[in-house]
Amino acid sequence: QKEVEQNSGPLSVPEGAIASLNCTYSDRVSQSFFWYRQYSGKSPELIMSIYSNGDKEDGRFTAQLNKASQYVSLLIRDSQPSDSATYLCAVKNYGQNFVFGPGTRLSVLP
Amino acid sequence: EAGVAQSPRYKIIEKRQSVAFWCNPISGHATLYWYQQILGQGPKLLIQFQNNGVVDDSQLPKDRFSAERLKGVDSTLKIQPAKLEDSAVYLCASSLSYQGNQPQHFGDGTRLSIL
Repeated sequence: QKEVEQNSGPLSVPEGAIASLNCTYSDRVSQSFFWYRQYSGKSPELIMSIYSNGDKEDGRFTAQLNKASQYVSLLIRDSQPSDSATYLCAVKNYGQNFVFGPGTRLSVLP
Repeated sequence: EAGVAQSPRYKIIEKRQSVAFWCNPISGHATLYWYQQILGQGPKLLIQFQNNGVVDDSQLPKDRFSAERLKGVDSTLKIQPAKLEDSAVYLCASSLSYQGNQPQHFGDGTRLSIL
């Protein structure tokens, strides 16, 4: 059974701080990793994808992947109240399905 | 580019009734997914289509759920008869292909409440 684990939260950070969201996965041969943001009552929205070890930056978001440790993270710099949402980690291997974690609820306090 | 379209947005039915959801994926996307998302949980895959063929339906409760994508474009998911535990958001997503690294994109979902 392939699993993706995340802390459910809530993770509370003050406005302007760095929010760090973590995800671990069980399938060692996973190839693709995605972060989705889901506002309450809305559908998941793709934020970042990462495929190689290391960091990938897009604006205020940085995804970090360490395949040896089976660990992927998302950093949000200069957190804003509008970043308050649930963040879903999804993992995929070629020709196989996406497996989602339970999500981490982030609350950015003004 | 138009996104994934789903309807209806909300549905309330009584247990043992039937219900159907419709999804139209992003144009050109060969892979279509149906997910069930229960409050506080991540999306759980119900069924995956590649064009008009089923790739994975291992988690679909086949005694009550069915889905089709007859012409390889839009898709319908049906529940008959509904149970109380089917109360959830049903999300449709699509991607260019299930091979490789393409991400999937979600529709707005259908929120189903069973009374």
